[in-house]
Amino acid sequence: KQEVTQIPAALSVPEGENLVLNCSFTDSAIYNLQWFRQDPGKGLTSLLLIQSSQREQTSGRLNASLDKSSGRSTLYIAASQPGDSATYLCAVKFLGNEKLTFGTGTRLTIIP
Amino acid sequence: NAGVTQTPKFQVLKTGQSMTLQCAQDMNHEYMSWYRQDPGMGLRLIHYSVGAGITDQGEVPNGYNVSRSTTEDFPLRLLSAAPSQTSVYFCASSYSGLAGKPTDTQYFGPGTRLTVL
Repeated sequence: KQEVTQIPAALSVPEGENLVLNCSFTDSAIYNLQWFRQDPGKGLTSLLLIQSSQREQTSGRLNASLDKSSGRSTLYIAASQPGDSATYLCAVKFLGNEKLTFGTGTRLTIIP
Repeated sequence: NAGVTQTPKFQVLKTGQSMTLQCAQDMNHEYMSWYRQDPGMGLRLIHYSVGAGITDQGEVPNGYNVSRSTTEDFPLRLLSAAPSQTSVYFCASSYSGLAGKPTDTQYFGPGTRLTVL
């Protein structure tokens, strides 16, 4: 079964620290992987999209990596800020499947 | 661009009532989809469309209908609401590549929070 897992479910980090969020998936045959941010009561905002042929993508303080062979992706956030507090969702599009398969997210709290 | 818009933001229904959740996008995206988000279960695909006049079922389609008469609009109809349909509903869109596969970034609307009593 194609599944996406995000552990831990919640994470608290002091402001200014660098941090890594984890995403694992059960099938290495993927089309792409996307990281989203969701603020409470809001929709999802796409942060980074990594195609299956890519190893990483960067946007500002964010860097996402992809290792298909091990079924893992990480989202690295540098110099964390209180405004980074949100739930971060990982979604994978597996080959041969129309839908995005979402993880249940990591709720990140940055402590001022 | 307004992006992906959804109406209403909130809705309360009684069991058995029907309603339509509206979704529109102004980015000329071919691919549109509906997801529901429930605590502890992540987002699950209800229906999707790869272009005007083409729709297909996702992971949890029962109790829902969709149509796609224009590129811009993709309404979701609840035929006879049930308490199990209490959820937050998100519409999303993207460009699609070959064979209608969404290859680009998915853009999500702000969601509709639905409660069925």
